Amino acid sequence: ETGVTQSPTHLIKTRGQQVTLRCSSQSGHNTVSWYQQALGQGPQFIFQYYREEENGRGNFPPRFSGLQFPNYSSELNVNALELDDSALYLCASSQGQGTLYEQYFGPGTRLTVT
Amino acid sequence: AQSVAQPEDQVNVAEGNPLTVKCTYSVSGNPYLFWYVQYPNRGLQFLLKYITGDNLVKGSYGFEAEFNKSQTSFHLKKPSALVSDSALYFCAVRDSRYSSASKIIFGSGTRLSIRP
Repeated sequence: ETGVTQSPTHLIKTRGQQVTLRCSSQSGHNTVSWYQQALGQGPQFIFQYYREEENGRGNFPPRFSGLQFPNYSSELNVNALELDDSALYLCASSQGQGTLYEQYFGPGTRLTVT
Repeated sequence: AQSVAQPEDQVNVAEGNPLTVKCTYSVSGNPYLFWYVQYPNRGLQFLLKYITGDNLVKGSYGFEAEFNKSQTSFHLKKPSALVSDSALYFCAVRDSRYSSASKIIFGSGTRLSIRP
């Protein structure tokens, strides 16, 4: 098990609602990345936060936003939920920015939008 | 544009036999290549990476991968499969020209099933 935790484990929301997912990074890690993994697909990079600043973003609309706090924990916020947002959302922490640093993944939050 | 392909949705191997999970990639610059494993209801777990140097990379749990630049491949291998190796395996690639993590691309995954 990694030291990365995510909450909640599962979540059911209605289309149009807003959701906040949370991630606590592993001790000593200052970088958090978020991924969306649709059923039967590989993870897709949403964005990364390094020392509280966004540091790279994938091909996701602005209704996907995030925060990183001084203790390096992070939130992923999704506004105006759509059915296609149903997925497993993974958080990964690392000691530095960029993928050359090994990423430690949390167990994920499974979001279902109805 | 970057891309990565895992041509097999599922690989079935008998315990004790060697296993190979295939991955091919496409990048414009030099590739950084990764393998991850995902167990049910768990996040991804890092297995190994190729950045530069020796084409044969050794990783966790006895896995290794061979970087082949001419064939643009990075196949995952293990000499003797265990039932506990049964899981979903993902290959990922990033173009070394980009420093941001935003450019990492994952394959669609290969489900490895090891029968006793």
